[in-house]
Amino acid sequence: GAVVSQHPSRVICKSGTSVKIECRSLDFQATTMFWYRQFPKQSLMLMATSNEGSKATYEQGVEKDKFLINHASLTLSTLTVTSAHPEDSSFYICSASLLAGGGEQYFGPGTRLTVT
Amino acid sequence: GNSVTQMEGPVTLSEEAFLTINCTYTATGYPSLFWYVQYPGEGLQLLLKATKADDKGSNKGFEATYRKETTSFHLEKGSVQVSDSAVYFCALRSLGNTPLVFGKGTRLSVIA
Repeated sequence: GAVVSQHPSRVICKSGTSVKIECRSLDFQATTMFWYRQFPKQSLMLMATSNEGSKATYEQGVEKDKFLINHASLTLSTLTVTSAHPEDSSFYICSASLLAGGGEQYFGPGTRLTVT
Repeated sequence: GNSVTQMEGPVTLSEEAFLTINCTYTATGYPSLFWYVQYPGEGLQLLLKATKADDKGSNKGFEATYRKETTSFHLEKGSVQVSDSAVYFCALRSLGNTPLVFGKGTRLSVIA
């Protein structure tokens, strides 16, 4: 149990376009989902915390107008990178917490975004 | 604030060698502690966890003990395999639905 999926796994887009990444909890309800960004050979950087039905909380330095997060249901959160630029190329990973909490996050497999 | 410090890699070991990856933390209260593993090109997988002092988490031959007196959660494995080659992240989480705080990761390469 506790499986999180992400779609797409890889995406290549042109500079100036927008890209949407989906994160789904497949077999549990997640009140909270987290979006991370990982640069090559580096740790995960938390971008935002997303609670179902409310606005996401962004970390300092993360542009909320550029990285749009929607958490419309207990099983789905989306990250939209708007007007993407080459510097947005990265590995984006989402995670989800079980409804009952407990301190454990389950991670999706990640989405590699390449902006040309 | 909360933070996690883990030994820097990369770590290169021969197959069947003993592995230790050090991890220490700074936190208020009593956090839960985790080790995650990331295989090449993949997302993070939970390896093991411990939620209170003196708890030992174990999985796939790996183990780590929550040491409150030394604020440590070192990862150990008695005999590594080539398939253990990955990046290992130590992490903590305070009570409640707060995000994980990660260490910088340690890359392990096991050679035959």
